[in-house]
Amino acid sequence: GAVVSQHPSRVICKSGTSVKIECRSLDFQATTMFWYRQFPKKSLMLMATSNEGSKATYEQGVEKDKFLINHASLTLSTLTVTSAHPEDSSFYICSAPPGSGRAGENIQYFGAGTRLSVL
Amino acid sequence: SQQGEEDPQALSIQEGENATMNCSYKTSINNLQWYRQNSGRGLVHLILIRSNEREKHSGRLRVTLDTSKKSSSLLITASRAADTASYFCATMDSNYQLIWGAGTKLIIKP
Repeated sequence: GAVVSQHPSRVICKSGTSVKIECRSLDFQATTMFWYRQFPKKSLMLMATSNEGSKATYEQGVEKDKFLINHASLTLSTLTVTSAHPEDSSFYICSAPPGSGRAGENIQYFGAGTRLSVL
Repeated sequence: SQQGEEDPQALSIQEGENATMNCSYKTSINNLQWYRQNSGRGLVHLILIRSNEREKHSGRLRVTLDTSKKSSSLLITASRAADTASYFCATMDSNYQLIWGAGTKLIIKP
C-alpha cells in the first residue's frame, strides 16, 4: 500500500533554532499534503494544506511565518518551525491523499509523526 | 494506522434528513473522535467523546459511545448540502495513539 514517510521521528532543539520536518510520499504523487499538530492526549489540529507549485493554505490562527511550508515536488513537502520556542513542542503529523485515479477520497495516508521538543 | 471500521462506506440522503454513521473498534480506548474531511481538504476535528461518556452533543451533531459493544455513532440532524463530506472516526488508545476508521462518504442531495 501507499506509504508516507516522515522524518525525523523525533527532534530536540534549543529555543531560537529552526527545525525542518520532511514528509515524502514514497510510491505515489501527492499534489496536496496536509500538516497537523497534536497536543499531548488531544485531537489532531489541521495547520495547513501544502500545495505543490503554489503557496500553502493556512488554517485560521496558524502563523505562516512561524510554520513555513514548502511543497518542492510531487513527493515532498517540508514544514519548518522557525525560531522554535518551548510552546512549539508538540507532535506534528503529515498526511497525503493518493490522488485521483488511485483511490477514493476516503483514503488518507499518514506519516508516522515527528515529536518536537524545544528546550 | 487504519484499523477501525465504519459503516456505511457511503451514504446519500436528502437535505433535511438525519444522517447516521457508525464506527466500531477493537481495542480499549481513552477516547473516540470524529473528523470531517471536505473534498480536497484536510481533516477537521468535530467532536471528542471520552471512554466514560455515553453521549455528547455539539450543535447538530450527536455522538454516542457504547464501550461494551466497542462502537460509536455520529448523528447529523437536519442535514444540509454543506454537510457533504467524508467522516472519519479515530480512537485514541492507552498509548495515546490515534487509530483511524476507513471513513464514510456522505452526500446530501438538495
